[in-house]
Amino acid sequence: TAGITQAPTSQILAAGRSMTLRCTQDMRHNAMYWYRQDLGLGLRLIHYSNTAGTTGKGEVPDGYSVSRANTDDFPLTLASAVPSQTSVYFCASSELAGGPNEQFFGPGTRLTVL
Amino acid sequence: KNQVEQSPQSLIILEGKNCTLQCNYTVSPFSNLRWYKQDTGRGPVSLTIMTFSENTKSNGRYTATLDADTKQSSLHITASQLSDSASYICVVSLTGGGNKLTFGTGTQLKVEL
Repeated sequence: TAGITQAPTSQILAAGRSMTLRCTQDMRHNAMYWYRQDLGLGLRLIHYSNTAGTTGKGEVPDGYSVSRANTDDFPLTLASAVPSQTSVYFCASSELAGGPNEQFFGPGTRLTVL
Repeated sequence: KNQVEQSPQSLIILEGKNCTLQCNYTVSPFSNLRWYKQDTGRGPVSLTIMTFSENTKSNGRYTATLDADTKQSSLHITASQLSDSASYICVVSLTGGGNKLTFGTGTQLKVEL
């Protein structure tokens, strides 16, 4: 199985432009997550979804939005990108939210905002 | 101040040697602790997950220990291989925290010939 796929692999984006990072999982997991990883910092949660049709804010949600129309897909949208959103973005999923449920991570999207 | 602190920040060892990575946390109330391996340019991969009632868990050559009283965990790697070169991340989950995981910044391990 593919597990979790993310697209694009990398992107350079002009400040002020919008962009959607795509994430798809084929494990039928209920919960999905978006994280950003910056040098010298641990991964930080942007948004999450416990189940299809619901979403919630994480630690650093400002400037980002998500939707969960179905179980498999969890796109992350930057409405108007700023240079501070330059980061590596990881999508993850787990069978259930919370507890000792393993989170499986995608390969990441490297985004540069100029 | 990080609620999950890892040491050392980086480490170089020779192939075949053992090493131990440390994790101290202040996150409370504690639910579970995870160790992830992240290869350069890849997403993190889970190695172990321990609840507060477990004090050791193994995954092949990787053995994690947990002392919930002192809020310390360690990851011991036995007979290191070149493929062990990666960042090792300690992650702590809160009781009732749902989706809230607190990530350490990782220990960068390099295994050399």
